[in-house]
Amino acid sequence: AQSVTQPDIHITVSEGASLELRCNYSYGATPYLFWYVQSPGQGLQLLLKYFSGDTLVQGIKGFEAEFKRSQSSFNLRKPSVHWSDAAEYFCAVADNAGNNRKLIWGLGTSLAVNP
Amino acid sequence: DGGITQSPKYLFRKEGQNVTLSCEQNLNHDAMYWYRQDPGQGLRLIYYSQIVNDFQKGDIAEGYSVSREKKESFPLTVTSAQKNPTAFYLCASGGGPETQYFGPGTRLLVL
Repeated sequence: AQSVTQPDIHITVSEGASLELRCNYSYGATPYLFWYVQSPGQGLQLLLKYFSGDTLVQGIKGFEAEFKRSQSSFNLRKPSVHWSDAAEYFCAVADNAGNNRKLIWGLGTSLAVNP
Repeated sequence: DGGITQSPKYLFRKEGQNVTLSCEQNLNHDAMYWYRQDPGQGLRLIYYSQIVNDFQKGDIAEGYSVSREKKESFPLTVTSAQKNPTAFYLCASGGGPETQYFGPGTRLLVL
C-alpha cells in the first residue's frame, strides 16, 4: 500500500540557517508528490509539487524540493529560514489506484525557528 | 476572488446534536474532500466526492454524512453517532491532476 513517512516530528533551526525536511514515500508507479505548509489554526497551502520532468522543483516562499527515485524521497529545502517559516509541513503522494483521486499524507513535521 | 470558504470558523456541539459544516468553492473543481485533523495524527480523510451527486467514504467516515447536490458545495454533517467529534475540520477541492486546495478550516468543540 502507498504510504508517506516524514521521519522528523519536530525540528528547530535558527533564523538564517538552512533547512531540510525529509519525506519518503512508498508507491509503485511514478508518483505525484506534494509539499504543503500549515500555520497554526489555518488551512494548508501548497508549497510545490512534482509530476514529471526536472527532479528539482521550485516552489513559493523560497522553498525547493528534489525528487530522488532511487531513494524514494522528496525532501524539502530552504537555504535561509525566516521566523515566519515556523509552521507544520506536510508531504503527500497522490493515490491514483482505481481512478480514485486521493492524497496519502505524512504525519507532518513541526518547524520551530529560533531568533 | 476565487477560493474555498468554510463556515463557521468555530462550532459548538451539544450532546446528541447533529451539526453541519459548510464548504463552498468557486474554483470550478469537480472533486471535493473533507479531512479531520487531530494533534499528532496528520490529516485523515472522511469523505470525498469526484463529481456532483456522487461521493465515497474515506478512512474515517463513521459518524459523518455528506451531500453533493451542487458542484460548488460539499457540506459535512457530524452526527450524534460520532462520539469524539472535537477536532479541526478541513475542506479541500481538487484541481488537476490531484492538486488539492484547502479552506481555512472549522474547529468543532463539544459543550
